[in-house]
Amino acid sequence: SQTIHQWPATLVQPVGSPLSLECTVEGTSNPNLYWYRQAAGRGLQLLFYSVGIGQISSEVPQNLSASRPQDRQFILSSKKLLLSDSGFYLCAWSGTGGGYEQYFGPGTRLTVT
Amino acid sequence: KQEVTQIPAALSVPEGENLVLNCSFTDSAIYNLQWFRQDPGKGLTSLLLIQSSQREQTSGRLNASLDKSSGRSTLYIAASQPGDSATYLCAVMGANNLFFGTGTRLTVIP
Repeated sequence: SQTIHQWPATLVQPVGSPLSLECTVEGTSNPNLYWYRQAAGRGLQLLFYSVGIGQISSEVPQNLSASRPQDRQFILSSKKLLLSDSGFYLCAWSGTGGGYEQYFGPGTRLTVT
Repeated sequence: KQEVTQIPAALSVPEGENLVLNCSFTDSAIYNLQWFRQDPGKGLTSLLLIQSSQREQTSGRLNASLDKSSGRSTLYIAASQPGDSATYLCAVMGANNLFFGTGTRLTVIP
């Protein structure tokens, strides 16, 4: 069966510090991968998605970036965090092509102070 | 751009009651619609997936319907239990993106 992992589970970082969140998927190959952010009082917003190694599409302009160094590894990064980057970050995977169900990881709670 | 609305934002019901959560979307060109459950501080658990060609899906006490032409979906929960208390999110799938509503926070009172 497929599982999706995210770490760390929680993170407190000062403004201006770098960020690296990691997501890995087990039990499937060549998945589509997604990063979402859920800010307080707001709905989930897609940040990045990837259909393959090194292929990243950005949905929202921001100071975040994403990379996919391996088939089942998806990394969210920032060089300098802003207060507005605080939120709950969720990674998800789906099968390739349209119409596939998305499965979500446990999330990372990021607080920027 | 696709917009997804969920009504009501919050709902409180006594245990055992049947209830309906509503979801509407503005663009009917969707691949599918998913209903998720989110417990506080946790990730999302997929409850039901309805493909664009389908009208409804059922899983246990849950039944979800889809009327793509009118841009509406409902999630019916039968015989609600305190363990059903959570936020329920509706999401519609575009070409490569899930568009989420802001959710309905359900509280089932014992």
